[in-house]
Amino acid sequence: DAGVIQSPRHEVTEMGQEVTLRCKPISGHDYLFWYRQTMMRGLELLIYFNNNVPIDDSGMPEDRFSAKMPNASFSTLKIQPSEPRDSAVYFCASSPLTGGRGYTFGSGTRLTVV
Amino acid sequence: QQQVKQSPQSLIVQKGGISIINCAYENTAFDYFPWYQQFPGKGPALLIAIRPDVSEKKEGRFTISFNKSAKQFSLHIMDSQPGDSATYFCAASDYGQNFVFGPGTRLSVLP
Repeated sequence: DAGVIQSPRHEVTEMGQEVTLRCKPISGHDYLFWYRQTMMRGLELLIYFNNNVPIDDSGMPEDRFSAKMPNASFSTLKIQPSEPRDSAVYFCASSPLTGGRGYTFGSGTRLTVV
Repeated sequence: QQQVKQSPQSLIVQKGGISIINCAYENTAFDYFPWYQQFPGKGPALLIAIRPDVSEKKEGRFTISFNKSAKQFSLHIMDSQPGDSATYFCAASDYGQNFVFGPGTRLSVLP
């Protein structure tokens, strides 16, 4: 298996623009998670899905953030409009189980908003 | 109560030395305690994990020590190598929705 695949690896955008991050989970993993990593706040869970259904989005910082999972092999995290404080590394992870078991992270998308 | 505290924030060890990273938790419902290793430009990767029914788990040079009564657990890296230089995260979860990461420890192993 190729693991969790995220794209793009790097994204530089101007403030106010829409940004879409993409994730392909490991086949057969029923859980998909979006995390944000910054030096100040560490790893923060933004939202997670179970069988394509959003279960907990309490970590989504603002209405500017939205996530979708239209099918078992694809998820997006969208920021509209983007702001400089959104600059971070965004990770997608998938797992066959809940409770942190079997987590596999992607390599992340480094987002810079200027 | 959901937090996991981790120390030290950074650690410098000579090659061949022992690296020790400590974590503490409050939620007694936690029953799974993994450690993740993250290299620059990569996502965290599971290194080793323990359940509270054992006090120690060893995999190669990596050992988790677990003290249930003190609600503490630690990662020991024996014979530390420059290739072990990375950021290490402890984490804790129950079997439900709660899974929390510690803030991370940046380990540098000097050659």
